[in-house]
Amino acid sequence: KNQVEQSPQSLIILEGKNCTLQCNYTVSPFSNLRWYKQDTGRGPVSLTIMTFSENTKSNGRYTATLDADTKQSSLHITASQLSDSASYICVVSARGGYNKLIFGAGTRLAVHP
Amino acid sequence: NAGVTQTPKFRVLKTGQSMTLLCAQDMNHEYMYWYRQDPGMGLRLIHYSVGEGTTAKGEVPDGYNVSRLKKQNFLLGLESAAPSQTSVYFCASSYGQETQYFGPGTRLLVL
Repeated sequence: KNQVEQSPQSLIILEGKNCTLQCNYTVSPFSNLRWYKQDTGRGPVSLTIMTFSENTKSNGRYTATLDADTKQSSLHITASQLSDSASYICVVSARGGYNKLIFGAGTRLAVHP
Repeated sequence: NAGVTQTPKFRVLKTGQSMTLLCAQDMNHEYMYWYRQDPGMGLRLIHYSVGEGTTAKGEVPDGYNVSRLKKQNFLLGLESAAPSQTSVYFCASSYGQETQYFGPGTRLLVL
């Protein structure tokens, strides 16, 4: 069964600190992996996308990694800001006639001053 | 560009009532999607469309119908609302199977 699991479920950090969010998936055949940021009361917004051959992708203070062998991805946030408070969703695409997206439940991050 | 817009933003229904959620996009995307998001769960695909006049079932289509009469609009209908349909509904669109762009969501409460 195609699944995407994220950890931790929630996380509280102080402003300026770094943090790493984890994503494990069992999706086959794998097409790509995306990280989305979802602010409270808003729709998700894409942060990064990685294909099978990519193992690192950065977007400002966000750096995503992908290990296709172990089927794990992480999202590292550097020098956190209050505006980073949001849910971060890992989404894996399964290759097919229609590339089905499997969404993780998300990690809710709270950055405190 | 407004991107993806959804109406209404919030709605309360009684069990058995019907309603239609409207999604509009101004990015000329071929693909459009309807998802629901429930606490502790990932977004689940209800229905999707790969072009004007076409629709297909997603992961959780029961109790919902859709129509794509115009390329820029994708309508989600609930014929007889049930409390289990209380959720936040998101519409999204994409150019082919590239990154999906999401609307702001519609919060629906069924009593």
